[in-house]
Amino acid sequence: TQLLEQSPQFLSIQEGENLTVYCNSSSVFSSLQWYRQEPGEGPVLLVTVVTGGEVKKLKRLTFQFGDARKDSSLHITAAQTGDTGLYLCAVYNFNKFYFGSGTKLNVKP
Amino acid sequence: ETGVTQSPTHLIKTRGQQVTLRCSSQSGHNTVSWYQQALGQGPQFIFQYYREEENGRGNFPPRFSGLQFPNYSSELNVNALELDDSALYLCASSLMRELYNEQFFGPGTRLTVL
Repeated sequence: TQLLEQSPQFLSIQEGENLTVYCNSSSVFSSLQWYRQEPGEGPVLLVTVVTGGEVKKLKRLTFQFGDARKDSSLHITAAQTGDTGLYLCAVYNFNKFYFGSGTKLNVKP
Repeated sequence: ETGVTQSPTHLIKTRGQQVTLRCSSQSGHNTVSWYQQALGQGPQFIFQYYREEENGRGNFPPRFSGLQFPNYSSELNVNALELDDSALYLCASSLMRELYNEQFFGPGTRLTVL
């Protein structure tokens, strides 16, 4: 059983659509991170959320940390082809990093 | 400010051989972590080094070992390679913080074991 469950696993949408991806766990975390990874590259950090209920915005991306600090969501408004990639959530727990298996997003022109 | 670099980019080995992968951390960072990423999966944490000491390890056997040097560069060594070791190996550097580490990843080394 994975510590972090991400859904959906795959998402294919048209440019201009909105989408939300989720990262869920039964454990409580002090912080959670979101990364985006493009083919042939390492993941790139998008945001770190640390407070329950926290909302952070990065241009068209909105990140929310659940009130109980067990889950998080990433909402993209008016998706663009440049948003295509693998979106990963991650936590640092007892000197170990854990990543979810990711949501593979394909934005079609 | 230079980013995280890894070498080599690609590597082909045969089962039973040994391999050493290298990582150069981002300037000012004192922590390095190594990951194994199979195709279509998220990265799996191998271990972390902080100030040249291992201070966290994932579920990987002892044939996976590492070193961190005084200049904060790092090596990942894998002995007795198995076919399942074929994967993208990523290193990430960070500045150790109490609550969380914001990691900066290198582009990875693609290892193929035949």
